[in-house]
Amino acid sequence: DSGVTQTPKHLITATGQRVTLRCSPRSGDLSVYWYQQSLDQGLQFLIHYYNGEERAKGNILERFSAQQFPDLHSELNLSSLELGDSALYFCASSVHSGEWSNEQFFGPGTRLTVL
Amino acid sequence: AQTVTQSQPEMSVQEAETVTLSCTYDTSENNYYLFWYKQPPSRQMILVIRQEAYKQQNATENRFSVNFQKAAKSFSLKISDSQLGDTAMYFCAFESNFNKFYFGSGTKLNVKP
Repeated sequence: DSGVTQTPKHLITATGQRVTLRCSPRSGDLSVYWYQQSLDQGLQFLIHYYNGEERAKGNILERFSAQQFPDLHSELNLSSLELGDSALYFCASSVHSGEWSNEQFFGPGTRLTVL
Repeated sequence: AQTVTQSQPEMSVQEAETVTLSCTYDTSENNYYLFWYKQPPSRQMILVIRQEAYKQQNATENRFSVNFQKAAKSFSLKISDSQLGDTAMYFCAFESNFNKFYFGSGTKLNVKP
């Protein structure tokens, strides 16, 4: 158990809908990262938040948005869902001292299926 | 743009033997971090080993070690005394100066008894 929690574990929805994925980082970790893993592929970095502020943005679609709240939990919002958005969405957290991320601890992921 | 390439989609090794997984990357940055992550069938992502680009000494973690060749932009993972529990997907990853991360497509390692 990494200490990072993600809810829900599984989500099934229809095209055009909007969903929210939630992540609680490890106690004391200020950084939260979101990744998308499509079937049998590598991880695509979406976005990184540090202490409530966006720190780095990867290949995140405009239909997707994220935020990190004062209690450091984070939410990833996916809207106007398409079939291709079906994937495993990971959240990771790290202490992030200085410039670099240090070790990232990954949550178990949320499996999103868009029908 | 940064890219990470893993040219071996799948590999097999006998239990107790040694296997090396390859990774190459492309960047114009001078300082960065490199990682190997393991993803077993449970899909949990687990950090195996981490290397800072400015350190010439290769990182080691028990049975896992890397061969980091900065000039060649190569970062291979050697697993010694392979165990059945090492069966997993292995991903090479790169952290840029701007805290962006890039992952390779993965190598599926099968350890045979």
